[in-house]
Amino acid sequence: NAGVMQNPRHLVRRRGQEARLRCSPMKGHSHVYWYRQLPEEGLKFMVYLQKENIIDESGMPKERFSAEFPKEGPSILRIQQVVRGDSAAYFCASSPGSGLGNTEAFFGQGTRLTVV
Amino acid sequence: AQTVTQSQPEMSVQEAETVTLSCTYDTSESDYYLFWYKQPPSRQMILVIRQEAYKQQNATENRFSVNFQKAAKSFSLKISDSQLGDAAMYFCAYKGRSNYQLIWGAGTKLIIKP
Repeated sequence: NAGVMQNPRHLVRRRGQEARLRCSPMKGHSHVYWYRQLPEEGLKFMVYLQKENIIDESGMPKERFSAEFPKEGPSILRIQQVVRGDSAAYFCASSPGSGLGNTEAFFGQGTRLTVV
Repeated sequence: AQTVTQSQPEMSVQEAETVTLSCTYDTSESDYYLFWYKQPPSRQMILVIRQEAYKQQNATENRFSVNFQKAAKSFSLKISDSQLGDAAMYFCAYKGRSNYQLIWGAGTKLIIKP
């Protein structure tokens, strides 16, 4: 049973380009969470999605960032017109249920985005 | 708002010895969960141990145990018989019972000296 798969592992983009980060949850998981980790910091929640629905995007910057989790295929975190401050590691986690309580969320290995 | 504080940016321990990593948190909730995650150089975030706030007994997983002091809002991780493979970043995290977001500390880098 494959774990949470994120690709690419490393992504380099020039300022102003678009970045697309992909996350395939564990088999049987329909809940996906995206977190961002800046250097020397812990993870910060960005968005929580179920299939075809955004449940909570309170941690997502209002501009340039969007996320989706279609009925078929991986969840996508999209960053338009990237700036140097977007450089970070982006982690995806998935869970079988809503993630409330002590339901464990399983993490991928992250995508390290570098904006040059 | 809930916060998690890890006051030790880096800790080192001799192989086979015991080390304790500190974590404090702030919350007004009475029911919540606390977690310790390990992040090795591969960046994979691995759950080490979890504690449910309503349980008084400290959680234990093999060489890993916690000292949960609810009144003091303290949640330290003890690693016994440290091994080279324990070298990693360790993150403390909090989740309210009615929430799904994990609130993370800044992490502690653990170095194991052979």
